[in-house]
Amino acid sequence: EVQLVETGGGLIQPGGSLRLSCAASGFTVSSNYMSWVRQAPGKGLEWVSVIYSGGSTYYADSVKGRFTISRDNSKNTLYLQMNSLRAEDTAVYYCAEGLSFDYWGQGTLVTVSS
Amino acid sequence: QSALTQPASVSGSPGQSITISCTGTSSDVGGYNYVSWYQQHPGKAPKLMIYDVSNRPSGVSNRFSGSKSGNTASLTISGLQAEDEADYYCSSYTSSSTLFVFGTGTKVTVL
Repeated sequence: EVQLVETGGGLIQPGGSLRLSCAASGFTVSSNYMSWVRQAPGKGLEWVSVIYSGGSTYYADSVKGRFTISRDNSKNTLYLQMNSLRAEDTAVYYCAEGLSFDYWGQGTLVTVSS
Repeated sequence: QSALTQPASVSGSPGQSITISCTGTSSDVGGYNYVSWYQQHPGKAPKLMIYDVSNRPSGVSNRFSGSKSGNTASLTISGLQAEDEADYYCSSYTSSSTLFVFGTGTKVTVL
C-alpha cells in the first residue's frame, strides 16, 4: 500500500528557512516522479516542484531560486528545502507521487508570519 | 502561467449528472493528453479521480468520466450522490517553465 507522510511544517518568520520531509512506503521514491503541491488557506492547489526519477528537478516560477527539492534514496524520503520564506508561502504542503499526482500525503502546514 | 479556468460552483440533485469544465490553452490542456481531475473533501488531501484525460484509477467509481475537446477538458459525474459533494480540481502538463498547472477549482453541491 502506498503511503506518504509529510513532516516539518510549523510557524516561521519571514526570511527564515524550513525543510519539509515526505517519508514514503509501498514504493521506491527514486523510481518515481515526486512532486510538492501547496494549498494556501481557503485557496486552490498550486504545483511547487517535481523531481524526476532520473534526478532532473523543476520549480514553479514563484519559488525558483528559493526552494530546493531533493530525495534520500536510503531513507526513501523526499525533501523540500525552503529558504527566504515569505508570507505568501503560507500553505499546506502536500507531497504527491506520479506524473498524475496519483497518491498524496496528508499535508503539513507552513505558516510564515512575524 | 495562469491557472486553468473552472466554474466556481456546480450543483445538482441526487441521481442527476453534472459536468465541470476546465479551460486552458494550446500550451497545456489543448496540447497534451495529460489532464487529470482530483476530488477534495474539506480538510482532506486531494484524491486522483481521472488521469490522462479519461482514465480512471483502480477503485474510482465508473460514475466519474473525463473527456477533452480542444482547449477544454470536462469531468462528468453521473448518478450524483451525497458523497460527491466536494471541491474538484483539474490539472494539466504545460509547455511553460511551470510544467504543471491546476484549475481554479469547482465546488460541487448536491441539493
